[in-house]
Amino acid sequence: DTAVSQTPKYLVTQMGNDKSIKCEQNLGHDTMYWYKQDSKKFLKIMFSYNNKELIINETVPNRFSPKSPDKAHLNLHINSLELGDSAVYFCASSSQDGFNSPLHFGNGTRLTVT
Amino acid sequence: TQLLEQSPQFLSIQEGENLTVYCNSSSVFSSLQWYRQEPGEGPVLLVTVVTGGEVKKLKRLTFQFGDARKDSSLHITAAQPGDTGLYLCAGAQGGSEKLVFGKGTKLTVNP
Repeated sequence: DTAVSQTPKYLVTQMGNDKSIKCEQNLGHDTMYWYKQDSKKFLKIMFSYNNKELIINETVPNRFSPKSPDKAHLNLHINSLELGDSAVYFCASSSQDGFNSPLHFGNGTRLTVT
Repeated sequence: TQLLEQSPQFLSIQEGENLTVYCNSSSVFSSLQWYRQEPGEGPVLLVTVVTGGEVKKLKRLTFQFGDARKDSSLHITAAQPGDTGLYLCAGAQGGSEKLVFGKGTKLTVNP
């Protein structure tokens, strides 16, 4: 059973389009995250939700909107896609909010904006 | 400014060699985590170090947290091709709920 699963695995779209990435975790964790990994493999946090409540919102453009319908799901919707949005987006979860909890990552969604 | 500096950025060695990768910062961290990421997959946690001076071993991997909790190292003994991957350190600062990642060390172990 996949612990953190995200779909789709690959997403190719044109500039200006709107797209969504879905994430689900079956670990019973309270906290979920979205990370962005750029072409140089740098992982940067975008959002963190704890039990459906937004905890961390880094300086991410308003075009990115996370939604957590329940604590097992955290989806990411992106409006008006730009070339610079091309990256690999990782969903992750941890057992508790806070810094010592290990992160469990999904396998990423590679977004390519043309 | 990068909070966590990892070195070297790239490392290519032969099977059987030993290696050390470093994770350094001018900031103090309450804990440091090491992850390994393979192509097409998400990072997977290897270890968490919490106490200054702490040493943890995971088979051929030895992790050390600096006494001042500002740096960490990962030493691999007798590297194998299966050790190939991107090694990421991630630090947590007290009072912050964010885990900050270094830029990683890409290790290639050639048979």
